[in-house]
Amino acid sequence: GAVVSQHPSWVICKSGTSVKIECRSLDFQATTMFWYRQFPKQSLMLMATSNEGSKATYEQGVEKDKFLINHASLTLSTLTVTSAHPEDSSFYICSAPNRDRSSYNSPLHFGNGTRLTVT
Amino acid sequence: AQKVTQAQTEISVVEKEDVTLDCVYETRDTTYYLFWYKQPPSGELVFLIRRNSFDEQNEISGRYSWNFQKSTSSFNFTITASQVVDSAVYFCALSELDSNYQLIWGAGTKLIIKP
Repeated sequence: GAVVSQHPSWVICKSGTSVKIECRSLDFQATTMFWYRQFPKQSLMLMATSNEGSKATYEQGVEKDKFLINHASLTLSTLTVTSAHPEDSSFYICSAPNRDRSSYNSPLHFGNGTRLTVT
Repeated sequence: AQKVTQAQTEISVVEKEDVTLDCVYETRDTTYYLFWYKQPPSGELVFLIRRNSFDEQNEISGRYSWNFQKSTSSFNFTITASQVVDSAVYFCALSELDSNYQLIWGAGTKLIIKP
C-alpha cells in the first residue's frame, strides 16, 4: 500500500549545523507534502505546505530561511533545518495526501517522524 | 473558524475498563472529514478512522467504536475492554472539503491503561 518513507528517524547534531530530513512517497505521487513539528506532550503544529514544482507555503511564525523546504519531484520532499539551535530540537513529521481511490478511507500518509536533538 | 477540542488531557483507567475519548469540533463547512489517530510512544501516527460529515452512522471496529453527532458537533471514540497496548496519545482532527486534507488537530488525549 501507499507509504511515506521518512529519514532519518532520529538525528543528533551540533548547534550551528544543518540537518536535512527526507520524505519519499512510495507507490503514489505526492503533489503536496505537509510538514509538522511536534513538541513533547503537544499536538502537531503545521509548519509549511509544499507543492511539487512551486515554493512552499509557510505558516505564520515559521522562518522560511531557517526551515528550507524543497519539493523537486512528485516523490520527494525535503526539510532542511539550517543553523540548528537547541530550541529546534523537536519531532518533525511529514504527511502527504493521496487522492487515489485505493486510499479513499485513509487519504493521508504520514512519515514515521524524525526526532531531532540539537546539542 | 475551524477548531478541534479534546478537553481530556489525560485519562487513566485500569485494564478491561471501557473508556471514551471526547472530541468536539467547529467548522462552517457543511462538508468535512473527521479523523482519529493513535500515537504510541514510538511517535508514528496510526490511522484509526475517517468519517465524512454526511455519514452519521456510528462505526464499530473490534473494541473500537465511534459516535458521530452532528447536532452536538462531537465525534467521540470509545475503547471497550481496554488493554495495556491501547496506551498512547489519541488525536482527533478535522479536514474541510477544499483543504486538500490539511488537518486541524486537537490537542490530544493521553490514555494510560494500567495493568
